Amino acid sequence: DAGVIQSPRHEVTEMGQEVTLRCKPISGHNSLFWYRQTMMRGLELLIYFNNNVPIDDSGMPEDRFSAKMPNASFSTLKIQPSEPRDSAVYFCASSFFGGSYGYTFGSGTRLTVV
Amino acid sequence: KQEVTQIPAALSVPEGENLVLNCSFTDSAIYNLQWFRQDPGKGLTSLLLIQSSQREQTSGRLNASLDKSSGRSTLYIAASQPGDSATYLCAAIKAAGNKLTFGGGTRVLVKP
Repeated sequence: DAGVIQSPRHEVTEMGQEVTLRCKPISGHNSLFWYRQTMMRGLELLIYFNNNVPIDDSGMPEDRFSAKMPNASFSTLKIQPSEPRDSAVYFCASSFFGGSYGYTFGSGTRLTVV
Repeated sequence: KQEVTQIPAALSVPEGENLVLNCSFTDSAIYNLQWFRQDPGKGLTSLLLIQSSQREQTSGRLNASLDKSSGRSTLYIAASQPGDSATYLCAAIKAAGNKLTFGGGTRVLVKP
């Protein structure tokens, strides 16, 4: 299995632009998670889906952030408009529901907003 | 609300010494606990998963224990090597919520 695939690996954008991060979970996994990692705050859960349905989006910082999972093999995290404080590494992870077999993380997207 | 703490935040040991990394959590009603390794600028690599019904898991030089009653997990790395230098993160999985709550990590440096 190719693991959890995230794209792009790096993104540099100007403040105010729209940014879309993409994630392909491991085939057969039915839970998908978006995390953000910064030096100041560590790893924070933004949102997670079970069977393509958003379960908890309380970690989404504000309305500028949105996430979708149109099918079991694809999810997007969108920031519009982007701000410098959004600069971070964004990780996607997937698991079987209940996490009985643990969670697998993607390599992350390093976002820099200038 | 589950809180996960890892102390110390950083640790430096000479090569060959055994490493002991601590993780504590406030809510003992966890489903699983997972240990990860993160190299600088890289993603998270899963090391060990301990299910709530288990007391420990072993993989090679790594051994992780879980004591739900005291809210603690410990990761032991035997005979440390410079290649073990990385940040180690523990994460608790809430029984019903299905989300990982991470500790702040312990940054380990193994000196040759």
